[in-house]
Amino acid sequence: NAGVTQTPKFQVLKTGQSMTLQCAQDMNHNSMYWYRQDPGMGLRLIYYSASEGTTDKGEVPNGYNVSRLNKREFSLRLESAAPSQTSVYFCASSNLNTEAFFGQGTRLTVV
Amino acid sequence: AQSVTQLGSHVSVSEGALVLLRCNYSSSVPPYLFWYVQYPNQGLQLLLKYTSAATLVKGINGFEAEFKKSETSFHLTKPSAHMSDAAEYFCAVRNYGGSQGNLIFGKGTKLSVKP
Repeated sequence: NAGVTQTPKFQVLKTGQSMTLQCAQDMNHNSMYWYRQDPGMGLRLIYYSASEGTTDKGEVPNGYNVSRLNKREFSLRLESAAPSQTSVYFCASSNLNTEAFFGQGTRLTVV
Repeated sequence: AQSVTQLGSHVSVSEGALVLLRCNYSSSVPPYLFWYVQYPNQGLQLLLKYTSAATLVKGINGFEAEFKKSETSFHLTKPSAHMSDAAEYFCAVRNYGGSQGNLIFGKGTKLSVKP
């Protein structure tokens, strides 16, 4: 039972480059989320998808786009990476009345 | 709107001592509350959750938390700390604004355990 799988685990980008973070869950959850974690800031919501075909902005959406490809997959895209996007990114999934299950994270450095 | 405040960004205890990590919440509706643990370079793992069934909630690894509505608190405790408890702990409340359902996290408390 894999749970939530994120790829890649590590990435170094140059300023201005683009990349897509991939996330897949096998728990048949309706909702999926992307968070970023920065020291002393806890986890902040970037985007979420309450169900297949819908996406909405969270607390810190600027500089990001998302795609809910199907019920299992939710990707996060950085179109033009900036040093301020250096962070650890977590994907999570849940149903409305369950806890959230998290992936192992993607450690992104933008130089 | 829901929010969470964790008091103390760092807590240090001796092995065998009581662990107390503080969490206060703000919610206009009956809250769903969670504690997660994060070990270095890993994802978040659920310790325990409160979903209005019982005010004292027992979780994994000997941790428990008590929901106190009058104090709007959900503090995490463990009677006797172990070296393996060293990690960062996050309190979270479910957001019921709109259709979100996401978790809103506190800033985290890093627990150190001294031998």
